Amino acid sequence: GAVVSQHPSRVICKSGTSVKIECRSLDFQATTMFWYRQFPKQSLMLMATSNEGSKATYEQGVEKDKFLINHASLTLSTLTVTSAHPEDSSFYICSATLPGTANTGELFFGEGSRLTVL
Amino acid sequence: SQQGEEDPQALSIQEGENATMNCSYKTSINNLQWYRQNSGRGLVHLILIRSNEREKHSGRLRVTLDTSKKSSSLLITASRAADTASYFCATMKGAGGTSYGKLTFGQGTILTVHP
Repeated sequence: GAVVSQHPSRVICKSGTSVKIECRSLDFQATTMFWYRQFPKQSLMLMATSNEGSKATYEQGVEKDKFLINHASLTLSTLTVTSAHPEDSSFYICSATLPGTANTGELFFGEGSRLTVL
Repeated sequence: SQQGEEDPQALSIQEGENATMNCSYKTSINNLQWYRQNSGRGLVHLILIRSNEREKHSGRLRVTLDTSKKSSSLLITASRAADTASYFCATMKGAGGTSYGKLTFGQGTILTVHP
């Protein structure tokens, strides 16, 4: 149980285009999902908290117009990198918590999506 | 400020040896968690230790927490080549406020276990 699926695992796009990454909780309903970004050989940086049915909460320094997050259902959150540029190239990882454990429990992570912007 | 700093940054050992990784943090926490990440993959939860716990075991893993020193250690006993991965500690702050449910990750320790 508690499987999080992320798609696509790899994407290459041209500068100026937009890319959508999907994060699905396969066997549970996730009212809250988290989006992280990871540079090579570095730690995970929290970008935003995605709440079902409401606006995402972005961390300081993260451009909300650049990284659009939509959490339209209890099992799906999407991250859209708009007008992507080479500096947006990174590893993006989503995670979710089981219902009722958001403030105490473990996170379940997707496999990550490696974005390369040419 | 950096929460969850780990040392060593890299650790190389032989199969069968024990591996110890340390994590320090700066603010009060609700719990501390350890995760493993294979290269280019997502993270896998290993173990969670609450602020009122001092030690926890799970299979070959042993985690300690010293809240007075704001530090934790992860011990992997009898290591195997398959344990080769990056290991991250992550801290969760107390209930309430804007930190609800957020984990702050350390820089990680890259463990290499040679067969």
